[in-house]
Amino acid sequence: DQQVKQNSPSLSVQEGRISILNCDYTNSMFDYFLWYKKYPAEGPTFLISISSIKDKNEDGRFTVFLNKSAKHLSLHIVPSQPGDSAVYFCAASARKAGSYQLTFGKGTKLSVIP
Amino acid sequence: EAGVAQSPRYKIIEKRQSVAFWCNPISGHATLYWYQQILGQGPKLLIQFQNNGVVDDSQLPKDRFSAERLKGVDSTLKIQPAKLEDSAVYLCASSLQAGGLTVGTDTQYFGPGTRLTVL
Repeated sequence: DQQVKQNSPSLSVQEGRISILNCDYTNSMFDYFLWYKKYPAEGPTFLISISSIKDKNEDGRFTVFLNKSAKHLSLHIVPSQPGDSAVYFCAASARKAGSYQLTFGKGTKLSVIP
Repeated sequence: EAGVAQSPRYKIIEKRQSVAFWCNPISGHATLYWYQQILGQGPKLLIQFQNNGVVDDSQLPKDRFSAERLKGVDSTLKIQPAKLEDSAVYLCASSLQAGGLTVGTDTQYFGPGTRLTVL
């Protein structure tokens, strides 16, 4: 049972345009949502997060939107740059065994075309 | 600040052989995680330590996988005997503390991973 779903395995965007990556979840107990970015042969790197009590969080070119009623979140990258080409993982956090644990989606490979 | 270190970076073994992975977390980080990432999937948590105690190992296949974190710093993950389906990248991550009130204190920092191929 996949609790965090990223239904688009890949996405291609022109440099300078907006990239929108989507994520859906099923578990209502998730209270934080995170995006991680992964380059080949490297580990995932934390990008941005949002609490379940907010609907938007912005950090420079990156904005995450949360629609709690739809159990949907999205990551917007504006403007997209070639260096943004990577795999993006959506992750959701819930308390378990007294600490936070992450559940990851399968990832979306973003290609930004110069 | 040094990141999470893992070794080896790559390992190829035959099925039924044993293998061990090593992880050195960021200095001062109390919590250490081992994840398995199969090709085309997201990372899946195998085991979580806080200092040198196990917090959660519910998804660790204990008949063949074992992990330890001696002295609450370095950790090793072992597979014995390996199966073909164990082929994956094994990621180690650490965070400053577990159970913090803000996700910032629980932000997980990942190492580069060990790519295991079982033939």
